[in-house]
Amino acid sequence: GNSVTQMEGPVTLSEEAFLTINCTYTATGYPSLFWYVQYPGEGLQLLLKATKADDKGSNKGFEATYRKETTSFHLEKGSVQVSDSAVYFCALTDRTGGSYIPTFGRGTSLIVHP
Amino acid sequence: DVKVTQSSRYLVKRTGEKVFLECVQDMDHENMFWYRQDPGLGLRLIYFSYDVKMKEKGDIPEGYSVSREKKERFSLILESASTNQTSMYLCATRPDSYEQYFGPGTRLTVT
Repeated sequence: GNSVTQMEGPVTLSEEAFLTINCTYTATGYPSLFWYVQYPGEGLQLLLKATKADDKGSNKGFEATYRKETTSFHLEKGSVQVSDSAVYFCALTDRTGGSYIPTFGRGTSLIVHP
Repeated sequence: DVKVTQSSRYLVKRTGEKVFLECVQDMDHENMFWYRQDPGLGLRLIYFSYDVKMKEKGDIPEGYSVSREKKERFSLILESASTNQTSMYLCATRPDSYEQYFGPGTRLTVT
């Protein structure tokens, strides 16, 4: 079956620090990969996505590259802000089989201090 | 702009009550999902629907049922609420492009 593994949090950083949140996956087919962000008290929202190998998704200074050879989709940001404090979820949707049921990681909490 | 709304942000119910959680979308998406979110467990899929009147069980359907009579509305029903169903419930929709759009969530407390 499919699975997504994220680094456990919380990740605690100072403002302007570099961020990496690791995500690796297993999939039976050829998945699309996503990062979602959940701010306190809200639902999840799509942060970025990549649909094929070597694609780089980017948004709001965050980026992640679809690495098929290492089955990874690590999230990075060069300089975090306090407003980036949230929970980040890595996810995949496997297009084989026709069901397209998403698989989510358990989420990584990011806390950014001023 | 994509919009998914859920009927309540916070809900408190008593054990044994029947609970309805409503989700409405304005995007004409075929697919709709119900998840529950618990600390340390991430998102777990309860049920999903890929068309009107169609439903499929997710990973944790026990104690829940769903209804989809119209394309824009997907309801989650707790037939007899129990304290272990205290959780955050998230509704989501999905077009063909595979990413999901989530509602704001309903935090349900069963006492």
